[in-house]
Amino acid sequence: QITLTQQAESLWISPGERVSITCRASQSLLYTDGKHYLSWYQQRPGQTTKALIYHASVRTDGVPTRFIGSGSGTEFTLSIEHVQPEDFAIYYCLQTLKSPWTFGGGTKLELK
Amino acid sequence: EVQLVESGGGLVQPGRSMKLSCAASGFTFSDYYMAWVRQAPKKGLEWVASISYEGSSTYYGDSVKGRFTISRDNAKSTLYLQMNSLRSEDTATYYCARLKLRYFDYWGQGVMVTVSS
Repeated sequence: QITLTQQAESLWISPGERVSITCRASQSLLYTDGKHYLSWYQQRPGQTTKALIYHASVRTDGVPTRFIGSGSGTEFTLSIEHVQPEDFAIYYCLQTLKSPWTFGGGTKLELK
Repeated sequence: EVQLVESGGGLVQPGRSMKLSCAASGFTFSDYYMAWVRQAPKKGLEWVASISYEGSSTYYGDSVKGRFTISRDNAKSTLYLQMNSLRSEDTATYYCARLKLRYFDYWGQGVMVTVSS
């Protein structure tokens, strides 16, 4: 199975800063259609899990432009520019290229 | 507004069975693949199972294959997860999720399942 590694379990940042969360896959997530089957999710207490990015770099409807997905092959990044108070949450990457679909271990954004 | 509401969780003894339901509203249920994802206490997310539009194709994670069955009733806009031979490691919050372009675009609030004697 494909393993996704989010190296940082926690990242401490201040509001207004820029942060990057990385996700490394054990094999390329590029499919023959030219798309990477890598998506990003946000979990906040008391809220439903929210999809932020799909196909590695496409923002889902309504997601603020400060959330930026990038990367290719096996290395992917979720960047958040000018972090807002509501962005302190846990972020997960997910691959849906091959079954079993697998999530990264999660990265928690914490207030410095 | 898309809504996914899970039900049917609770406390169950090891080896017993339990069936979860997810009532969907706000969209045409039969137009989407659906899935279950779970999260053990203080742990990360784990994909459990997915099902095609009419239910003819199903897919399972390795840890539940042969014990869990995903199904759907499009007339009732409801997704199900039949869980048999439950183990303590199945203790988790179970989320229903809608699939779009092979990502989970909407999630439910989740339902807790505790497997313990």
